[in-house]
Amino acid sequence: GQNIDQPTEMTATEGAIVQINCTYQTSGFNGLFWYQQHAGEAPTFLSYNVLDGLEEKGRFSSFLSRSKGYSYPLLKELQMKDSASYLCAVKDSNYQLIWGAGTKLIIKP
Amino acid sequence: DGGITQSPKYLFRKEGQNVTLSCEQNLNHDAMYWYRQDPGQGLRLIYYSQIVNDFQKGDIAEGYSVSREKKESFPLTVTSAQKNPTAFYLCASSPPAHTGELFFGEGSRLTVL
Repeated sequence: GQNIDQPTEMTATEGAIVQINCTYQTSGFNGLFWYQQHAGEAPTFLSYNVLDGLEEKGRFSSFLSRSKGYSYPLLKELQMKDSASYLCAVKDSNYQLIWGAGTKLIIKP
Repeated sequence: DGGITQSPKYLFRKEGQNVTLSCEQNLNHDAMYWYRQDPGQGLRLIYYSQIVNDFQKGDIAEGYSVSREKKESFPLTVTSAQKNPTAFYLCASSPPAHTGELFFGEGSRLTVL
């Protein structure tokens, strides 16, 4: 079967750095997405990785290792507005998206 | 501004009633999707449409129906056959690009009383 695992919840301190892990087992791989979702709102696109390595965009970076079936976003200089759920989704061999349950990130002052 | 509009944002339904959720986009995207989101679970695909007048069942299509008569519109009907319809419903569209990034509407929260 296809499976995506993320921690249910994480807590971090304002101004710090946090890494949210996502491991996946899917039938094929055609890219991995990260979305941010604030409570009661729609998900918004953060990143797309299809090649191994780290991609940086300001305070936000995303890492992918296809051989290990592993990805994480790295959020730096955390702000209170970063409190949200972070959704990992993998596009499988049929180009269908498989979604993780999401990680709720709580930022404390 | 381009985007996806879902309505209503909140909806209450009595058991045995059908209800239709609206989804309209002005992004000129061919592909549109309906997802269901429940607490502690990943998004689950209900139906998707790659082109006008064509749509396919997703993973949890039972108890739902859709139509795609216009490129801009992809309404979802939650029928009385859906055993557990209380959920947050998300409509999305995507451009014909390599990444296939999804653009989501604000969601519709359906509660069955």
